[in-house]
Amino acid sequence: NAGVTQTPKFRVLKTGQSMTLLCAQDMNHEYMYWYRQDPGMGLRLIHYSVGEGTTAKGEVPDGYNVSRLKKQNFLLGLESAAPSQTSVYFCASRKIGTLHTDTQYFGPGTRLTVL
Amino acid sequence: TQLLEQSPQFLSIQEGENLTVYCNSSSVFSSLQWYRQEPGEGPVLLVTVVTGGEVKKLKRLTFQFGDARKDSSLHITAAQPGDTGLYLCAGARGATNKLIFGTGTLLAVQP
Repeated sequence: NAGVTQTPKFRVLKTGQSMTLLCAQDMNHEYMYWYRQDPGMGLRLIHYSVGEGTTAKGEVPDGYNVSRLKKQNFLLGLESAAPSQTSVYFCASRKIGTLHTDTQYFGPGTRLTVL
Repeated sequence: TQLLEQSPQFLSIQEGENLTVYCNSSSVFSSLQWYRQEPGEGPVLLVTVVTGGEVKKLKRLTFQFGDARKDSSLHITAAQPGDTGLYLCAGARGATNKLIFGTGTLLAVQP
């Protein structure tokens, strides 16, 4: 049981390049999330999904697209990277449950630098 | 707009000292969670508090949810070097319980 995994762990892009970050979970969770973490700002929600084939915008969705074609995978795409997208990206997943069991499990993160 | 403000932002203390971290908001949350994050890793859930006024203890850590469900505190007794890390509070809102994360408190406990 690997939990939540993210690939790649590190990436350097030039402005204007595109890339896809992959998140995979093996816990059969319905909900999946993409966050970015910047110094002094905690984690901010980019996009999320409440089930296979569904996606929704979070707090900071501009410049990103997502897809959830399979329940276990959640992809985050950057079509034309900008230096402002330099950040650490975290994926998380959780099962549908009560507030007391509402645990989000996070991946190890992807550190992205856009030059 | 940052809905959850944490204080202090940084804290460096000696082993054995006590400390309190605060998480404040003007918004009401259905639940409040505390996470700890170590360098190079994702956040790990420590506790979830749901009821206004609720107090939960996890060994040397005590968590409290404000009566109005707008704020929370984390108190650590006799801090140890292993407590070092970034502490994040997160409030849940909306039908899908999306989390709003606080700004974080970076704690360093010196031996």
